[in-house]
Amino acid sequence: SQTIHQWPATLVQPVGSPLSLECTVEGTSNPNLYWYRQAAGRGLQLLFYSVGIGQISSEVPQNLSASRPQDRQFILSSKKLLLSDSGFYLCAHAGLGPYEQYFGPGTRLTVT
Amino acid sequence: AQSVAQPEDQVNVAEGNPLTVKCTYSVSGNPYLFWYVQYPNRGLQFLLKYITGDNLVKGSYGFEAEFNKSQTSFHLKKPSALVSDSALYFCAVSVPESGYNKLIFGAGTRLAVHP
Repeated sequence: SQTIHQWPATLVQPVGSPLSLECTVEGTSNPNLYWYRQAAGRGLQLLFYSVGIGQISSEVPQNLSASRPQDRQFILSSKKLLLSDSGFYLCAHAGLGPYEQYFGPGTRLTVT
Repeated sequence: AQSVAQPEDQVNVAEGNPLTVKCTYSVSGNPYLFWYVQYPNRGLQFLLKYITGDNLVKGSYGFEAEFNKSQTSFHLKKPSALVSDSALYFCAVSVPESGYNKLIFGAGTRLAVHP
């Protein structure tokens, strides 16, 4: 079965510090991968998606970047965090076509 | 533009009563529709989907949803609510684009089931 992992589970970082969040998927190959941010426990905003190694598309301009160094690994990064980067970050995977996405457990990021 | 609306910020239901969480959508073409549930500080869990076929879709934990094309709605239902159903519920529509399927989410509806 497919499993998606995210770490760390929680993170508190000062403004201006770097960020690296990791997402890995097991039990599938060549998945489409997604990074979402959820602010204030409500709606989800798609940040990045990837259809393959090294292929990253950004949905919104922001202070964050994403990379996909391996087929089942998706990393969210920032060189200098802003207060507005605080939120709940969710990684998801899906296959091609009209399929549902499956979400990881999320990372709670607080920028102080 | 593709969009999903969940008109209720919160739904309150007594345990044992039926529940409905509303969702309407606006898409071009045939919609692919989904419901997810989120418990506090957890990721989203997939409940059910409508792709094609029977308008009544059954999913996990006794939930079902009815697709209504004329009303562009996909309401989530359960005949008898449990306190453990209290959570945040998201409706989503798939927007097939080249190479990947993008999900557009509603703002979410908080369901509170009271004993």
